[in-house]
Amino acid sequence: DAGVTQSPTHLIKTRGQQVTLRCSPKSGHDTVSWYQQALGQGPQFIFQYYEEEERQRGNFPDRFSGHQFPNYSSELNVNALLLGDSALYLCASSFGQYNSPLHFGNGTRLTVT
Amino acid sequence: QQQVKQSPQSLIVQKGGISIINCAYENTAFDYFPWYQQFPGKGPALLIAIRPDVSEKKEGRFTISFNKSAKQFSLHIMDSQPGDSATYFCAASIVTGNQFYFGTGTSLTVIP
Repeated sequence: DAGVTQSPTHLIKTRGQQVTLRCSPKSGHDTVSWYQQALGQGPQFIFQYYEEEERQRGNFPDRFSGHQFPNYSSELNVNALLLGDSALYLCASSFGQYNSPLHFGNGTRLTVT
Repeated sequence: QQQVKQSPQSLIVQKGGISIINCAYENTAFDYFPWYQQFPGKGPALLIAIRPDVSEKKEGRFTISFNKSAKQFSLHIMDSQPGDSATYFCAASIVTGNQFYFGTGTSLTVIP
C-alpha cells in the first residue's frame, strides 16, 4: 500500500522563477494538505484541497496556488520565487474534509538561489 | 503568533532513560493533539494522538499526558533507545477545522 508520494525530491530554482510540486495521496485518502517546513522549524500550513477545491488557506501570499485532480492527486505552484521560499514542502493526505490524522510524504526540498 | 509552544528545543537522554517534551497552547477550541516523529530526510510520521476528554494515552513506550485546565500536554518516551533519536513535533487542531498548528520541534538524542 503506497503511502504519500511527492516529486521531485529536490529542486533548485532561481529567484523569480516558477515551480510546480506534485503529490499523490495515500490510497483511500481524498484530502491533500500542503505544508512548508523551514529549516529547524515546524511545518506551516499553506492550504488544503478537498473535492478539487481549496478549503482553507494559511498565511501565505497568492504566489502560492494549488490544484487537486479528480484522482485526488495535487500540485503546488509557487510563482515569482523568493530566496525565503527555500524550504521543505510537505504534502499530507487524510480522509474526509475535516481534520483527521495526517500522513506526510517525504517532501520536496526547494532551494532558491 | 505561535499557536503551539514547544520545549525544550533539544534534549539529550541516556539509553533507558525517560524523555519528556512539553507543549502549551492558548486556543481552547483545539480538540485534537497529535505528536509526530521526524527523521532526517523524511516527512513527519504520526506517533500518538489524544483528545481532551482523556488525561493520558499510552501506546507502547510512548505516553501523552494532557492537562486541559493548564492547556498543556506532554510526550513521555519511556526506556528511550538510540533509535528514538529524531525530531519530535507536537501539534493541535480543531476537529471541524482544516489545518494543524505545529510546535517548533524538539531534537532528541539518545546516547547509547
